[in-house]
Amino acid sequence: SQTIHQWPATLVQPVGSPLSLECTVEGTSNPNLYWYRQAAGRGLQLLFYSVGIGQISSEVPQNLSASRPQDRQFILSSKKLLLSDSGFYLCAWSRTSGYEQYFGPGTRLTVT
Amino acid sequence: KNQVEQSPQSLIILEGKNCTLQCNYTVSPFSNLRWYKQDTGRGPVSLTIMTFSENTKSNGRYTATLDADTKQSSLHITASQLSDSASYICVVSATNAGKSTFGDGTTLTVKP
Repeated sequence: SQTIHQWPATLVQPVGSPLSLECTVEGTSNPNLYWYRQAAGRGLQLLFYSVGIGQISSEVPQNLSASRPQDRQFILSSKKLLLSDSGFYLCAWSRTSGYEQYFGPGTRLTVT
Repeated sequence: KNQVEQSPQSLIILEGKNCTLQCNYTVSPFSNLRWYKQDTGRGPVSLTIMTFSENTKSNGRYTATLDADTKQSSLHITASQLSDSASYICVVSATNAGKSTFGDGTTLTVKP
């Protein structure tokens, strides 16, 4: 069976500090990978998606970036966090030919 | 522009009662519609997925309907339980894009 992991579960960071969130998927090969952000009480906003190693598409211009160094590893980064980066970050995967997305447990980021 | 609108934004019902959540979309050309349940602080979990040819699908006490002509879907919850308290998200995908359009969700609170 497939599983998706995210860490850390919670994170409190000061404004201007760097960020690195990691997501890994087990039990499948060549998945599509996604990063979403969810502000409090709001819907999911797609940030990045990837269809393969090194292939990243950005949906929203911002100070965040994503990388996919390995087939089942997806990393969300920032060089300098802003207060507006606070939120709930979700990683998801889908099969190459499928639409169904499977979400990770999420990371709660608070920028102070 | 592809859009997904959900109503109501929030709903409070008593335990044991039924409820229906609505989803209207303008995504075209339509591929599939999915309903997710998201518990507070957790990642969304899939409830149902329907393609163009399907007009109803059940998952336990959850029944989703789809009217592709009017571009409407509903999620009916029967005999609600306290554990049904969550956000319910409608997601629609188009056939010509790998990305999905998310609704903002309906927050359901079931009270004893």
